[in-house]
Amino acid sequence: NAGVTQTPKFQVLKTGQSMTLQCAQDMNHEYMSWYRQDPGMGLRLIHYSVGAGITDQGEVPNGYNVSRSTTEDFPLRLLSAAPSQTSVYFCASSYRAGRSGANVLTFGAGSRLTVL
Amino acid sequence: RKEVEQDPGPFNVPEGATVAFNCTYSNSASQSFFWYRQDCRKEPKLLMSVYSSGNEDGRFTAQLNRASQYISLLIRDSKLSDSATYLCVVNRDNYGQNFVFGPGTRLSVLP
Repeated sequence: NAGVTQTPKFQVLKTGQSMTLQCAQDMNHEYMSWYRQDPGMGLRLIHYSVGAGITDQGEVPNGYNVSRSTTEDFPLRLLSAAPSQTSVYFCASSYRAGRSGANVLTFGAGSRLTVL
Repeated sequence: RKEVEQDPGPFNVPEGATVAFNCTYSNSASQSFFWYRQDCRKEPKLLMSVYSSGNEDGRFTAQLNRASQYISLLIRDSKLSDSATYLCVVNRDNYGQNFVFGPGTRLSVLP
């Protein structure tokens, strides 16, 4: 049981290049999401999915694209990289836990992206 | 004003000390509340959910005050291994994806 797996761990891009961050989970969680983390700021939601074939925008979706063709995979595409997209990206899946049964998040190890 | 606010710290405390963090949230409709722990250059990991009645997990105690819209985390008998950033997280609904993260409070436990 690997949990949430993200690749690559590190990436350097030039402005204007495109790339895809991969995310896979083997826990059969319905919900998956992508966050970015910047210094001094909380994690911010980019896109999320409530199930295969269903995606929606989060707080900071511009410049990113997602799709969810299977329950397991939720790739994040950067269409034309910009220096403002330099960040640490976390993929997460969520499950219901605790006495309230509320959703909680479990994260991948992160992908550090630098755009020059 | 940010929806979830925390004192960024750092809090530098000696081993064995008791330390408390507070977090305030502005959306009174928020449904569920959590503390996550994030080690340097690692992913956040769930430390504990926070319930209205308060809850304890070993040396960690979490409290929620809905009227004043703040959440607290108390760590007793601090260990060196408690050094990390503690993230306050609020979900605007229990079963959706409307999680809002605070910027985190950094704790360093010193020998």
